[in-house]
Amino acid sequence: RKEVEQDPGPFNVPEGATVAFNCTYSNSASQSFFWYRQDCRKEPKLLMSVYSSGNEDGRFTAQLNRASQYISLLIRDSKLSDSATYLCVVNGGSGGYNKLIFGAGTRLAVHP
Amino acid sequence: GAGVSQSPSNKVTEKGKDVELRCDPISGHTALYWYRQSLGQGLEFLIYFQGNSAPDKSGLPSDRFSAERTGGSVSTLTIQRTQQEDSAVYLCASSLAGTGAYNEQFFGPGTRLTVL
Repeated sequence: RKEVEQDPGPFNVPEGATVAFNCTYSNSASQSFFWYRQDCRKEPKLLMSVYSSGNEDGRFTAQLNRASQYISLLIRDSKLSDSATYLCVVNGGSGGYNKLIFGAGTRLAVHP
Repeated sequence: GAGVSQSPSNKVTEKGKDVELRCDPISGHTALYWYRQSLGQGLEFLIYFQGNSAPDKSGLPSDRFSAERTGGSVSTLTIQRTQQEDSAVYLCASSLAGTGAYNEQFFGPGTRLTVL
């Protein structure tokens, strides 16, 4: 079983749609969680961190369920520019440092 | 300000040759990480540096892979006797500190390695 699992997609949605991505992780000791965005042939960039209480940044909302080891990302009012691969990321480091474990990513394509 | 830089951006080599990949982290970042991303795959952790020391080398796939960091800044990843399965994009990231649960890692543009 992979440490971080995501639905690979692709998700093809029209502009303005709401889309949700899910992710599960296997290490119950993981302490921090993130969503990164990766555009085609580019490096990953941090989209948002995911906190236990859930957090929102504009059109993006992230949720964490530690009991179920489940993370979600909701994108409202999708824009063409949201088209990218969304990477679910878990901090798998022990000994107090950051070792990011990446899911394989979920592709999103937003069309006019 | 300048981000993480990597060189070369592309490297094509023949099977069996050695290659060196370079990473220049963001100035002042003490933590440096190497990852690789194979076609259609997620990023795979290779090694972590805190300053010049590497507390975690657990992701290096074989003893053909080695990395060093000097002066707490530039890092080189060396792959000896390259194999075709080494073909991937090698990404470097740095963060202000290695500890702290939510320290953001900033990624460089990567080196695309192709082994013929």
